[in-house]
Amino acid sequence: GENVEQHPSTLSVQEGDSAVIKCTYSDSASNYFPWYKQELGKGPQLIIDIRSNVGEKKDQRIAVTLNKTAKHFSLHITETQPEDSAVYFCAANTNAGKSTFGDGTTLTVKP
Amino acid sequence: NAGVMQNPRHLVRRRGQEARLRCSPMKGHSHVYWYRQLPEEGLKFMVYLQKENIIDESGMPKERFSAEFPKEGPSILRIQQVVRGDSAAYFCASSPRSQANEKLFFGSGTQLSVL
Repeated sequence: GENVEQHPSTLSVQEGDSAVIKCTYSDSASNYFPWYKQELGKGPQLIIDIRSNVGEKKDQRIAVTLNKTAKHFSLHITETQPEDSAVYFCAANTNAGKSTFGDGTTLTVKP
Repeated sequence: NAGVMQNPRHLVRRRGQEARLRCSPMKGHSHVYWYRQLPEEGLKFMVYLQKENIIDESGMPKERFSAEFPKEGPSILRIQQVVRGDSAAYFCASSPRSQANEKLFFGSGTQLSVL
């Protein structure tokens, strides 16, 4: 089955700096890669996603890149703010709705 | 439009008791997924259901765990004879379709604590 690895497990940045989280996947059949943000005591919320026919997607301060050949994808957050502090999960989908998640990255943005 | 509703938010059970976790999908969504999250870990897929059908239960433990999504009412994840290792956060997600690139909408989860 699919295996998703996520790095780093923790990331601390200064407010205003950029943050990058990287994921690799194993199944070349994966074709959808969502990113979720989970705040304390809440469920994961989708923040951005990318499909396998696209190399990059941007939404304001958040961008995601995908390299299908290397089987890795990354989340980029620019101009970080304290409210960006949360746990971020990458995921990869092959079958309908059955996302395989990475183990998460705890992002701390220091004011 | 209410989101995915899960209840209870917190559930405490003693070893050997039964736990019932409920999930009402978003309006118009007929696909439900259950995930389990252990502390400081990612979410692990358990089961995927459509109305009255289990589509994929490859992530469900073979014993003590069962799930249903009846024609009327919420989806239920049932854990019989709970053990301490069942303590975790259980999340439900829903989607309107079953395509691989369909977005999932998650509930706030049920935190199960087994004493």
